[in-house]
Order: sequence, then structure tokens, then C-alpha cells
Amino acid sequence: EPEVTQTPSHQVTQMGQEVILRCVPISNHLYFYWYRQILGQKVEFLVSFYNNEISEKSEIFDDQFSVERPDGSNFTLKIRSTKLEDSAMYFCASSDLEQGSIQYFGAGTRLSVL
Amino acid sequence: GESVGLHLPTLSVQEGDNSIINCAYSNSASDYFIWYKQESGKGPQFIIDIRSNMDKRQGQRVTVLLNKTVKHLSLQIAATQPGDSAVYFCAESGLNDYKLSFGAGTTVTVRA
Repeated sequence: EPEVTQTPSHQVTQMGQEVILRCVPISNHLYFYWYRQILGQKVEFLVSFYNNEISEKSEIFDDQFSVERPDGSNFTLKIRSTKLEDSAMYFCASSDLEQGSIQYFGAGTRLSVL
Repeated sequence: GESVGLHLPTLSVQEGDNSIINCAYSNSASDYFIWYKQESGKGPQFIIDIRSNMDKRQGQRVTVLLNKTVKHLSLQIAATQPGDSAVYFCAESGLNDYKLSFGAGTTVTVRA
């Protein structure tokens, strides 16, 4: 069964450092998303991406965040200068053209900012 | 602001019994409602969805009910099994807006 894969599973970084979280969405999907989940809290939307551009972003997704689809399979989230409060699980998701709301999630990357 | 939320943060169920997980939403413009299951250390897993023009939808051992009058969504799990132990989230999105807004989650624990 096709699945969304994310790497790494756990990323530890120092405050102020740049991190890149990587995702390989399901191959025939056209919509891509990043969400985050702070420990014990609900899943929060960060950004959606379609046709090589951001279609929507939340207030959390400020200038420190960026997304990119560098090739036909990868979808990345970059945080330029990490803050302690960026520590969370980051989930990548994808959906197809016909049922965009039904999103399939990866297992997540746990980001720990020290 | 608009939000999606759950009535109870935890639910303990005897194996074999039916489970009912509730969710209240406030955005009357929402078009899709989706239930996700999240097991420890994993990402949310799609269970079932329902569109706003429906009031009931059934899947394998699961039923989702939508009451738009009171903005209430529920997930019923028949014959709950130990593998059903997880956190369950309801989420909603608009017709042309695929951004998902999640509720706070209900932790379901199945007792043997």
C-alpha cells in the first residue's frame, strides 16, 4: 500500500540552526501539506502546496519556514533559524486531485530544539 | 475563532463493546468531516469521512454520524478490539479549502 515517508524520524538541533525535514508523498498525489503537533496537543496545519506553489499557510508558518519540491518525488520543510518552541512532531501529508480533504500522513519527524 | 473539538479527552471501553467518540464543531461552512486514528509514535491514519450533505456513513466496523443542526459529529466503533486503542481526532475542511482543522483528540483505551 502506498504511503507517505518522512526522514529523519528524529532530528536534534541547536537553537538558531537550520533544519530540513524531508518527505516523499504518495506518488500520484498532487496536494502536499505540513502539519505539526506539539507534545500532548492537537495537530496544527502549517502549509499546503499545489502546482509548485503554496496554496495556503497558517500564522505559524512565518518567514522562518519555507517549503520546496526540489524534484518529482520529494517535498521539504525548512526552518531557517530554529527556536525552542519549534520542538514538535512534524507531519507531512498528501492527497489526490479528486479527494483533496482525505489526506494521508507520514509517521512524522520529531524535532527537538536544544 | 472557529474550531473543532471533542467532548471527552479519554474513553475506556471493554473489549467487545461498542465505542462512541464525540466531536463538536463550530464552522458551519465546513464541507468535509474526517476521523483519524493516531497510534503511539505514528502519524494520523484516515478512518472515514463524511460530507456535509450526508448524515450517516458506514465503513468496516465504523459509523460516522453528522448532525448539522447541533454541529455534532460522532464515530461509532463496533465490537471494540485492543487494536482500536489510540487517540482519535475529528477534523474538518471547507469545500475548496483542503486545510484540515483538527480537534483535541480522544484517547481510547480498550480493557481486556
